[in-house]
This record gives sequence, structure tokens and C-alpha cells, in this order.
Amino acid sequence: GQNIDQPTEMTATEGAIVQINCTYQTSGFNGLFWYQQHAGEAPTFLSYNVLDGLEEKGRFSSFLSRSKGYSYLLLKELQMKDSASYLCAPGLDSSYKLIFGSGTRLLVRP
Amino acid sequence: GAGVSQSPRYKVAKRGQDVALRCDPISGHVSLFWYQQALGQGPEFLTYFQNEAQLDKSGLPSDRFFAERPEGSVSTLKIQRTQQEDSAVYLCASSLFGAQETQYFGPGTRLLVL
Repeated sequence: GQNIDQPTEMTATEGAIVQINCTYQTSGFNGLFWYQQHAGEAPTFLSYNVLDGLEEKGRFSSFLSRSKGYSYLLLKELQMKDSASYLCAPGLDSSYKLIFGSGTRLLVRP
Repeated sequence: GAGVSQSPRYKVAKRGQDVALRCDPISGHVSLFWYQQALGQGPEFLTYFQNEAQLDKSGLPSDRFFAERPEGSVSTLKIQRTQQEDSAVYLCASSLFGAQETQYFGPGTRLLVL
């Protein structure tokens, strides 16, 4: 079966750094996506990691450890507009399917 | 178009009614996906098309759910005899080809069954 675990909610202060963790157990694995979803809106692509290590893209970075079944999303210089849900989604081996976690709801406070 | 579009954005149905939800994927995208998202949860896979072929419908919750993509572009998700537990947001996504490609999501249709 598939199991994805991420915190339900996190709160951080504007300008700070926050790390959102995701652990996963899937039958087969070939890369992990992170999506951002504002309330009432579509999920939008943030990052994709297929190799171990850190991928940096502006204020957002994503890390993957395949051997540990672990990923995190790092958000720097938080802005109020970063308040959203962040969805961790492993891709199954050689498959089109994404399995989404329940998402982490991030609240950025002034 | 510029992105994935879905219609209607909101749908209220009485229990037992049939509904049809439409998805217009990004032009040229081969793969199309339907997901169901309950409040406070991540999207759950329903079905997948590659062009007009429905390659996977393992996530459809019952035989009341039916999806089609007859010409390999626009897709329709139909729910027959709606039940209250069908209330959710139905998201459509498309990708250029399929495996391990970024999926681009539409805004979703919020379905409320009374």
C-alpha cells in the first residue's frame, strides 16, 4: 500500500524560514513532487526531485532522501502569500500516478 | 488555452441527480487525470487517459462514476444518481506525456449533493 505522512498544520512568522517534512512508503518510487494549493484554488507545481539531495529554486528548496523515504520543502523569507497547503506527492515507479499526502496547511503570521 | 479549465466551477445537485463535469486540458497534452479532493485532504486519483484511451480507472469509487475523452482532448466526468458522499472538489489535471511529468491542474468543480 501507499502511506504518506506530513504534518497537518504549521505556523510561522513573516520573514522566517519553515521546513515542511514528508515521509513516504510506496510500492515503487520514481521521484517526488511538491505542490502548493491556496484555499479554493488548483494545486500548482513547486518542485520535483528524482535524485537524492537538495534542489533550490528561489525562496523554495526541496530535499529528497530515497533510502530514508523522506523529503522536505524549505521556504525562506516567508511572505503572507505563502499561507497555503503544501502537498507532498510521490510518483510511483514507471507510472503516471501521483499519490498525494493530506497536505500541510501553513499559516504565515505578520 | 493557457491552462486547464473546468466547468462548472460550482454545482449543487439533489441526491439522485446525474451530473456531468467538464475538463479542457492544455492544448497538446496527451495525458489527462481526474482527482477527487475532500475537504482538508489531498487529491485522490480517480482515472487516467492517454489521448482517448482510458488506461486506468482503478480510483473510480463506484460504477456510478464514468469518464470519457472521446477525441483525446476534452474530458467529461459523469456521476449518476449522486449521493451525499460524492460531495467534493473534482480536479482535472493534464501533462504533456505521462509518467513522471508535471501535472497541471484546473481550478476544480466543487460539487455539493444535498
